[in-house]
Amino acid sequence: NAGVMQNPRHLVRRRGQEARLRCSPMKGHSHVYWYRQLPEEGLKFMVYLQKENIIDESGMPKERFSAEFPKEGPSILRIQQVVRGDSAAYFCASSPGVLGAYGYTFGSGTRLTVV
Amino acid sequence: GENVEQHPSTLSVQEGDSAVIKCTYSDSASNYFPWYKQELGKRPQLIIDIRSNVGEKKDQRIAVTLNKTAKHFSLHITETQPEDSAVYFCAARGDYALNFGKGTSLLVTP
Repeated sequence: NAGVMQNPRHLVRRRGQEARLRCSPMKGHSHVYWYRQLPEEGLKFMVYLQKENIIDESGMPKERFSAEFPKEGPSILRIQQVVRGDSAAYFCASSPGVLGAYGYTFGSGTRLTVV
Repeated sequence: GENVEQHPSTLSVQEGDSAVIKCTYSDSASNYFPWYKQELGKRPQLIIDIRSNVGEKKDQRIAVTLNKTAKHFSLHITETQPEDSAVYFCAARGDYALNFGKGTSLLVTP
């Protein structure tokens, strides 16, 4: 089992460009969660998705950020027109079922740097 | 939403001593409380978790206690080793996802 796969591991973007972060959950996991981690900070929840559905996006900024988890392929976190404040580590996690009955497995993260 | 407070933010202990990290949560409906360890530049990894139907759980040198009435839970590491040095995060289940504390940076000195 390859675990939760995120790519790229490191991503550098200039201000105003788009960033696309990919997450392939563990085999058999249909629940995906995205978190942002700033230096010296905890993990901030962004969005929770199941296949083809956004279940909770209460932690996602209303503008420039979007997420999807299509029927086929990885989950994508998309940040349009990036700004310096978007620089952070973005982690995704997956679980096989409802949280509480199951815990999370995290991916290795994508470290986004906006220059 | 759920609010998780974690203390202390940094903790330094000598090898062989015990370390205790404490968290409080706000949502009395929370029923799942995991702890994650994150080494520098790596992913958070689950080290132990507890559900609201038990008050204590132990796994070798690591134990977690939960007080639902007071809405707090704690991580206890005994006989600490240098490889225990990392950032530790507590979390509590919210409506759909985990809400994390800000982390405790634990340093174990030989």
